[in-house]
Amino acid sequence: ETGVTQSPTHLIKTRGQQVTLRCSSQSGHNTVSWYQQALGQGPQFIFQYYREEENGRGNFPPRFSGLQFPNYSSELNVNALELDDSALYLCASSFQMNTEAFFGQGTRLTVV
Amino acid sequence: AQKITQTQPGMFVQEKEAVTLDCTYDTSDQSYGLFWYKQPSSGEMIFLIYQGSYDEQNATEGRYSLNFQKARKSANLVISASQLGDSAMYFCAMREGGTQGGSEKLVFGKGTKLTVNP
Repeated sequence: ETGVTQSPTHLIKTRGQQVTLRCSSQSGHNTVSWYQQALGQGPQFIFQYYREEENGRGNFPPRFSGLQFPNYSSELNVNALELDDSALYLCASSFQMNTEAFFGQGTRLTVV
Repeated sequence: AQKITQTQPGMFVQEKEAVTLDCTYDTSDQSYGLFWYKQPSSGEMIFLIYQGSYDEQNATEGRYSLNFQKARKSANLVISASQLGDSAMYFCAMREGGTQGGSEKLVFGKGTKLTVNP
């Protein structure tokens, strides 16, 4: 079991709403990445934060945004939710950018 | 173009037997890393094994070994002595990007569902 925790574990939102997902990194880790995993697919990279700065972004629209806090915990915000945003959202933390990433258990988001 | 290809949507193996899960990759980088993760139904991605592009020896971690064939761009996972608890989705992933900047994102394949039969 890794030290990466995500909250909530499940939630249901209505199309058009906004959602905030949270991730607590493993102790000592300063890099957090977020991934979206649609049903039956592999995870897709959303973005990465390193020492509170965004450090790369995947092919996701601006309504996907994030933050990393001084304690290296992180938030993923999604505005104007669409049905296709329904997925498992995974957070991964690592000590530095080029070291092994440890994943949390994910947040399963359902948009109705 | 797909960067990570896992051609086996599903695999079956008898308990205590060995199984190989296939993974091929595509990159023009000289420096890259290859990972295998296990994802049980609970959703968490569990790190299994890592192979760096410059590593000369195949990686091993307990019952897991990675058959790295650089010229063929393949990084197959071998699980020896399968156990019922090995039943899960298995994902191959590649990390591109060096240490001089750029994101160190992981690119995942579509996964292989392994079922271990008693």
